[in-house]
Parts: sequence; structure tokens; C-alpha cells
Amino acid sequence: SQTIHQWPATLVQPVGSPLSLECTVEGTSNPNLYWYRQAAGRGLQLLFYSVGIGQISSEVPQNLSASRPQDRQFILSSKKLLLSDSGFYLCAWTNTWGEKLFFGSGTQLSVL
Amino acid sequence: KNEVEQSPQNLTAQEGEFITINCSYSVGISALHWLQQHPGGGIVSLFMLSSGKKKHGRLIATINIQEKHSSLHITASHPRDSAVYICAVAEETSGSRLTFGEGTQLTVNP
Repeated sequence: SQTIHQWPATLVQPVGSPLSLECTVEGTSNPNLYWYRQAAGRGLQLLFYSVGIGQISSEVPQNLSASRPQDRQFILSSKKLLLSDSGFYLCAWTNTWGEKLFFGSGTQLSVL
Repeated sequence: KNEVEQSPQNLTAQEGEFITINCSYSVGISALHWLQQHPGGGIVSLFMLSSGKKKHGRLIATINIQEKHSSLHITASHPRDSAVYICAVAEETSGSRLTFGEGTQLTVNP
């Protein structure tokens, strides 16, 4: 079956610390992968999306980066977190034409 | 102007009422999704539409490709339907890049 795993579920980090959130997909190959952020009470903001290994499109310039080292693995990183990086981060995947869409369970990040 | 516009932003209903949430988009799409997000954040896909109409239980979703408009209907609403409902489109020219509406916060009171 097709599943998506995202971890950790919650994370509290001090300002200036690094970040690594991981997302893996099972049950499909060559998925399109996405990282979204959702501020409290707001809509989903696309941060990065990837259509293949090593192919990353950045939607919002900021101190975050993404990498796709393997076909079904998508990593969101930061070298130094800012207070404004706090939020709810969601990983998602779609098939090539977007007919299938699945979300990870999300990571609540608090930067203090 | 957002590429995907949802209305209303907030909706409060009494249990049993018929509910409609609307979504308009401005880009060519290969698919449109209606999503549900409960408190706690998890998002599930309710429907994927590329044409016509789909029904699942008390939920009905329709799409008019020519008018670039979709609606999500909930019949006989129940307090457990309270959630944020999000419209998302997969753009046909961008390798299924997803664009989201801002969401509609639905509260159904008993």
C-alpha cells in the first residue's frame, strides 16, 4: 500500500540551531514530493517541490533548504533556525499528474 | 490575486444543514482535490476530480472545467464534520505542482 512517513511529530529547537525533517514514501516510485508550511490559522505555503532525485524547486527564498537523496526520500533542512521558522510542516506526494495526493502527519516545529 | 480562491473563509452551521463550499481557480489543471484538515493538523484527501461529480456518503464534489469552479457539498451536516476544508489544484503545465486555497473553517453546532 502507498504510505508516507514524516518525522518527528513535534520538535522544539532554539534559535540558531540546525533542522532536519525527513519524509519517506512507500508503495510508489518516482513520486512528486512537496514540503509545505502552515502558520497557525493560515493556509498551506509551498516551500519546495521535487519531481526527481536531486531536482528541487524552491518557491519561497528563505533560510530553509531541501534535498532528495533517494527517489522516495525528501529532507527539509536549515543551518540556523529563526523564530519565524516556527510552524506546522507537512510533507506530501503526488503521482505524475496529481491524481493521487497523500500527506504526512506533519511536524509541529517551535523555535524558541 | 490567488490562483485558487475559496469561499467562504468561515462557515458556521447547525447540525443537519446542507453546506456548500466553493473553489475557483485560474490555471489549467490536471486534477482538483478537496482535502479535510482536523485540529491536530493531519490532512486527508476527500476527493480527486478531473470532471463531473463524485459522491462519498454525505459528501458530494462537483467540478465545472469550463468555468474553472468546483463545489464541495455536505448533506445533513454533523458536528464531526467540523474541520478546515481545502481545495487544491494540480497545475497541468507544472508537473502537477499543487496550489492550495486558503481553506474554509467549518463549524457545525449541535
